[in-house]
Amino acid sequence: EIVLTQSPATLSLSPGERATLSCRASQSVHSYLAWFQQKPGQAPRLLIYDASNRATGIPARFSGSGSGTDFTLTISSLEPEDFAVYYCQQRYIWPPVTFGGGTKVEIK
Amino acid sequence: EVQLLESGGGLVQPGGSLRVSCVASGFAFTTYAMNWVRQAPGKGLEWVSVIGDNGNRIDYADSVKGRFIISRDISKNTLFLQMNSLRTDDAAVYYCVKGGTGTNLIFDYWGRGTLVTVSS
Repeated sequence: EIVLTQSPATLSLSPGERATLSCRASQSVHSYLAWFQQKPGQAPRLLIYDASNRATGIPARFSGSGSGTDFTLTISSLEPEDFAVYYCQQRYIWPPVTFGGGTKVEIK
Repeated sequence: EVQLLESGGGLVQPGGSLRVSCVASGFAFTTYAMNWVRQAPGKGLEWVSVIGDNGNRIDYADSVKGRFIISRDISKNTLFLQMNSLRTDDAAVYYCVKGGTGTNLIFDYWGRGTLVTVSS
């Protein structure tokens, strides 16, 4: 099973600041990594798939990078609606599909 | 517009059974893999099961293998998850998730979820 480790667990930032979230895989997942955003009481929403492709309707301030075992989600300038929990997910080796433990982006 | 509407959640005793359903609309149901992903209260996401576009491939997480059964009724555009021998650690919100074509597991659309509570 591929383990995904996200860091940091919590990121405290102010609106307008840049957010950098990390996801590390226990073995290579090539580019088969996705990022999701989840707000309280809501279902997760796909932001990025295959490491760097924005999903439909996702603003350009969200970008993904990386390949192999190290991946980054960057939010260039935080908007108030971006404060949420973010999960990474790999689909390279399954079953099982696995998710990271999440990074909470909170208002400083 | 893609819509996934889950139902069937509720309170069940340990050892009991429950079937949750998901009605899909807004896309060609027989063209895409479908999944169940769950989230225990206050916890992260856990993939549970997948069924391929034509039902030819089915897989489960080890935690539910032998107890849960995924199926789909293409005439009703409906996905099911039959959950047997439920345990307290199965308590979670269960999300119906659309995948890609074949067994491509890009989780692009999620339902709002249905809550399953396992308690005596």
